[in-house]
Amino acid sequence: QSALTQPASVSGSPGQSITISCTGTSSDIGGYNYVSWYQQYPGKAPKLLIYKVTNRPSGVSYRFSGSKSGNTASLTISGLQAEDEADYYCSSYSSSTSWGVFGTGTKVTVL
Amino acid sequence: EEQLVESGGGLVQPGGSLRLSCAASGFTFSNFEMNWVRQAPGKGLEWVSYISGSGRKKYYADSVKGRFTISRDNAKSSLFLQMSSLRAEDAAFYYCVRDHNWAYDFWGLGTLVTVSS
Repeated sequence: QSALTQPASVSGSPGQSITISCTGTSSDIGGYNYVSWYQQYPGKAPKLLIYKVTNRPSGVSYRFSGSKSGNTASLTISGLQAEDEADYYCSSYSSSTSWGVFGTGTKVTVL
Repeated sequence: EEQLVESGGGLVQPGGSLRLSCAASGFTFSNFEMNWVRQAPGKGLEWVSYISGSGRKKYYADSVKGRFTISRDNAKSSLFLQMSSLRAEDAAFYYCVRDHNWAYDFWGLGTLVTVSS
């Protein structure tokens, strides 16, 4: 039950767009449209940003968008803001676990 | 207002047992699948276990299979995680998490489990 692979860190300047990748296999990301993304501030519980690859829950900024191609999902943050500095995790349904698997996590730094 | 409040964490010796509880409020608990997700201090998220709304379907991560048992009491809007044969690597914050639209849409604040002699 290996974790999905994310870059350890991504950085960008205010106003820029950044993209975080999340790579899995055909048993998870590639096989199902059940990818979700989470934002976590230090000492806080994670918050859902994207579900079913591209969908934003009510209240989540339009600056967050999701996509998928093959075994890789991506989260794009446009118009980067200081408040976007946090850890980000992807997750997917996995036939290996019969339920979930998380990514390794990406720390986003706003320069 | 929706709430998930975990309890039961604490210090336990290796090989010991602990039972975590999660009290849900502000939504119809029985309508939702639930999960436990853990996070070791300074580390990433790890899905631990899932239970269907009825309690009939249960799944576990390989790392806890055979040692942890998930259960729920819909009449009391409560979720549980019975943990036994605890190891140092089980030390983490344990989050009670609601499942909706194939995503973890609502999280509790977590309860800390420390495994040490």
